[in-house]
Amino acid sequence: DTEVTQTPKHLVMGMTNKKSLKCEQHMGHRAMYWYKQKAKKPPELMFVYSYEKLSINESVPSRFSPECPNSSLLNLHLHALQPEDSALYLCASSQGVGQGGSYEQYFGPGTRLTVT
Amino acid sequence: AQSVAQPEDQVNVAEGNPLTVKCTYSVSGNPYLFWYVQYPNRGLQFLLKYITGDNLVKGSYGFEAEFNKSQTSFHLKKPSALVSDSALYFCAGGYGFNKFYFGSGTKLNVKP
Repeated sequence: DTEVTQTPKHLVMGMTNKKSLKCEQHMGHRAMYWYKQKAKKPPELMFVYSYEKLSINESVPSRFSPECPNSSLLNLHLHALQPEDSALYLCASSQGVGQGGSYEQYFGPGTRLTVT
Repeated sequence: AQSVAQPEDQVNVAEGNPLTVKCTYSVSGNPYLFWYVQYPNRGLQFLLKYITGDNLVKGSYGFEAEFNKSQTSFHLKKPSALVSDSALYFCAGGYGFNKFYFGSGTKLNVKP
């Protein structure tokens, strides 16, 4: 089973709200990722967790706060977002955490976020 | 800097004809290259990857890709296109500690 699940599928939030995105995988993968994707653009890496520890933060604003409660779950906490943060947020996982980025990533269907 | 480039924003092909989606890479050291497909409002689906070994890599849904070191290319191919292959295709390279860098994407249109 190569499935990564994400909830919710759609989210509309105001700029003062606090919300969370959730991601889950049961493939035993040890690395998990958050990406942001604008329409018809490639995904942009936000965060990487390896063995449940944050290993990469691509200079993401603090209004985005990731959390990895266990090896199967990944959350993205959102607070005081801006309209330009509206995008598709993708979660992914990969088997390994080795050098060279040789492991393929498996993506969830994404959460379509709209900030009003 | 590590990068991949997809020179075509869009590729149009008739159903039943062969298709090629182009990708070139610029990396130091051995490249790790991937192809993904994205259908509207969906996540990315892994198609295939090149790590080392045979230059012709076979993947899902009848797709294959040819790694060409001299031309620094990794073009995606399929002998006979289907209308259902119409989607957005991304070439990607892996480097560092589990980092990916994606190409700009190519929209494939397969017409009946």
